[in-house]
Amino acid sequence: GNSVTQMEGPVTLSEEAFLTINCTYTATGYPSLFWYVQYPGEGLQLLLKATKADDKGSNKGFEATYRKETTSFHLEKGSVQVSDSAVYFCALPIIQGAQKLVFGQGTRLTINP
Amino acid sequence: KAGVTQTPRYLIKTRGQQVTLSCSPISGHRSVSWYQQTPGQGLQFLFEYFSETQRNKGNFPGRFSGRQFSNSRSEMNVSTLELGDSALYLCASSYSGLDGTQYFGPGTRLTVL
Repeated sequence: GNSVTQMEGPVTLSEEAFLTINCTYTATGYPSLFWYVQYPGEGLQLLLKATKADDKGSNKGFEATYRKETTSFHLEKGSVQVSDSAVYFCALPIIQGAQKLVFGQGTRLTINP
Repeated sequence: KAGVTQTPRYLIKTRGQQVTLSCSPISGHRSVSWYQQTPGQGLQFLFEYFSETQRNKGNFPGRFSGRQFSNSRSEMNVSTLELGDSALYLCASSYSGLDGTQYFGPGTRLTVL
């Protein structure tokens, strides 16, 4: 089935710094790709998604582009805030169309004021 | 629309007991999936239910079971609890569209003593 490899953390940045969290995938076909965020003590929130190659997902200043040439879906934000401190997960369906998601190991992001 | 709700939020049990967790999906969503999250193993898929039928299953022992009711609410049961079952159990619902987008609840934190 499909799989995902995510940049290991933790990542610590200062407020207003540029953020990149790397995610690469192995997949048959072109499944949708997702970024989820988990704040302390909470469940996962869908941050953004892209459903086909070259699509760019965006939300709350975060962006990720579905790149089939490099099999990547890196998460970026131009200027991070303390409130962005959380754990970020890259994910995709185990097979295209399935409701079973496989997740990266998560990247813990800490933003210092 | 109300989000995915899970009850209870916290649970403490002792080894050998059994436990039942409940999940109410977003209104109109017919697919409910369950995941286990632990620091060591990350996020692992347990099973998915759609229209009261188990459609997908992960690699967990038979002690883990679930069911779905006609109103799409789902329950997950773990029998003969072990210390290693301590985890955050997350429920996710989806409309069962083809792109695999899932929306997660806040989770139930299970501690086995």
